[in-house]
Amino acid sequence: DIQMTQSPSSLSASLGARVTITCRASQNIDSHLNWFQQKPGKAPKLLIYGASHLQSGVPSRFSGGGSGTDFILTITNLQPEDFAIYYCQENYSPPGITFGPGTKVDFK
Amino acid sequence: EAQLEESGGTLVEPGGSLRLSCAGSGFNFYGFGMYWVRQAPGTGLEWVSFISSGDSSTEYSDSVKGRFSISRHNDKKSLFLQMNSLRPEDTAVYYCAREGVALAGVNSYYYYMDVWGKGTMVTVSS
Repeated sequence: DIQMTQSPSSLSASLGARVTITCRASQNIDSHLNWFQQKPGKAPKLLIYGASHLQSGVPSRFSGGGSGTDFILTITNLQPEDFAIYYCQENYSPPGITFGPGTKVDFK
Repeated sequence: EAQLEESGGTLVEPGGSLRLSCAGSGFNFYGFGMYWVRQAPGTGLEWVSFISSGDSSTEYSDSVKGRFSISRHNDKKSLFLQMNSLRPEDTAVYYCAREGVALAGVNSYYYYMDVWGKGTMVTVSS
């Protein structure tokens, strides 16, 4: 089974800051990596699919990159609505799917 | 606008059974694969099960295989999760999600969960 790790597990940032979250897969997953945002009491929301493709309707301050085993989610100009938990998810050999443990972004 | 709505979550005793439902609207339900994903209190996301759009083939995580059964009724735009032999560790919010697909290259596709319901809470406790 593919294992996913994320770092950091949590971070504090100020409004307007640039935030970077890293996700690592235990084996090569090419670009089959998705990113989700989840706010308290709400369902997850798809941000990025295929490692770098912005989902329709998602602000352009969100971007993704990487391939193989190492991936990154970047949020530029952090906004109040961006404070949430972010999950990566591999979809290399669907439909078996693994989520990362999450990264909590809160206000500094 | 594509929407999903789960129902059926409740308190059930260990060893009991429960059937969750997910109603789809605003899209061609029969044309999409569908997932169940759960989230135990205070923890992360866990994929539970998948059913395809065409032949309704199914897949399960190891943690629920042999106990849970996923099914769909396309005419009623509904997805189901039959949960048997429930355990306390099955306590979670259960989400249904739609499978999105995008072309990645020659004979290669990206798969993702692009539409989610709000979730339904299942509590397994005596």
